Amino acid sequence: AQRVTQPEKLLSVFKGAPVELKCNYSYSGSPELFWYVQYSRQRLQLLLRHISRESIKGFTADLNKGETSFHLKKPFAQEEDSAMYYCALRDDSNYQLIWGAGTKLIIKP
Amino acid sequence: NAGVTQTPKFQVLKTGQSMTLQCAQDMNHNSMYWYRQDPGMGLRLIYYSASEGTTDKGEVPNGYNVSRLNKREFSLRLESAAPSQTSVYFCASSVETGINAEAFFGQGTRLTVV
Repeated sequence: AQRVTQPEKLLSVFKGAPVELKCNYSYSGSPELFWYVQYSRQRLQLLLRHISRESIKGFTADLNKGETSFHLKKPFAQEEDSAMYYCALRDDSNYQLIWGAGTKLIIKP
Repeated sequence: NAGVTQTPKFQVLKTGQSMTLQCAQDMNHNSMYWYRQDPGMGLRLIYYSASEGTTDKGEVPNGYNVSRLNKREFSLRLESAAPSQTSVYFCASSVETGINAEAFFGQGTRLTVV
């Protein structure tokens, strides 16, 4: 069955430290993966998608098909990165998003 | 540009009461979605509408009905609310349902059923 797992409910790091938010998936087809972010009192919004191979706000994510992972990374965390982060997988049979439970990232000053 | 607007933002219902959550988007998107989010879980799709005039069940449709009133509006109705429907509800829209179509979200409705 298709599944997205974010093993950490909470991740707390100091400002300036590297950040890695983990995302693992289970999917039989060719995955399309996304990271969405929700800052405090703001809407859930797209951060990046793997097919674009882009870096947004210093974050990158590489699809590793061998490890079935799509971890989100940033080399130097900033306080404004504090937010909820959700990994999502597009099911190409119906184009619906399958969501992970989310990781709350706290950046300590 | 308001994007996706949901009303109300908060609601408390008694078991058995009915209510309709409203959602409207002004981005001329074809597809609209209703999700629920429960503690410790990812968003789960309740219903979606790939285009005006069509609606389909998602992962957790029981206890809900939807109406795609027009291209802009997609409402979610609880006919007889149950405590298990206590959740945060999100409406979203996208240009289409295809691969890589970015979803735009409303601010959510926090519903408590007592």
